[in-house]
Amino acid sequence: DSGVTQTPKHLITATGQRVTLRCSPRSGDLSVYWYQQSLDQGLQFLIQYYNGEERAKGNILERFSAQQFPDLHSELNLSSLELGDSALYFCASSVFGLPTDTQYFGPGTRLTVL
Amino acid sequence: AQRVTQPEKLLSVFKGAPVELKCNYSYSGSPELFWYVQYSRQRLQLLLRHISRESIKGFTADLNKGETSFHLKKPFAQEEDSAMYYCATSRGNEKLTFGTGTRLTIIP
Repeated sequence: DSGVTQTPKHLITATGQRVTLRCSPRSGDLSVYWYQQSLDQGLQFLIQYYNGEERAKGNILERFSAQQFPDLHSELNLSSLELGDSALYFCASSVFGLPTDTQYFGPGTRLTVL
Repeated sequence: AQRVTQPEKLLSVFKGAPVELKCNYSYSGSPELFWYVQYSRQRLQLLLRHISRESIKGFTADLNKGETSFHLKKPFAQEEDSAMYYCATSRGNEKLTFGTGTRLTIIP
């Protein structure tokens, strides 16, 4: 599958814990985006990377961090988890990281914090 | 800051009836506008974009600068159109901003 992949599919953890979500972009795409989708907030942009460098930051909490590695995969780290962090986390990728690019989305990781 | 408003969280339409999903954006100028769709158990994907002026799966969207709207329309709804629809916009170097989405249900 040459599309965007995300692991794991589901994650259940406890408050106070730390988790890492992983994303591999489409082949040839240089930019990765992270979004959080909760029931009442819709799709919220968290952060964008382009070719290893942070390009744009959205509503990302200080407890959250991300990086893009030389092979272009990305990880989103969520720490000191709270109940309110339970959500679907999507990764998307695009070729040039421009706002006008079509973004290709992964299947998402469902995080449940108990 | 950019803002995208989709006033309807839920919309139910009978099969064969016309569909209109509303989207309004908050700033003037010439933004890029998109509609993304998420079918059940599938990933979010681009449906159409303003710049392409295309019709995808029978859907079209017209930019109305006077009303700052980019409503999505289809003359005859089909059951397979049931999905979550997101309007999104960007301008210049500003990031793509999504609306909160409208869940469309087609009643057989």
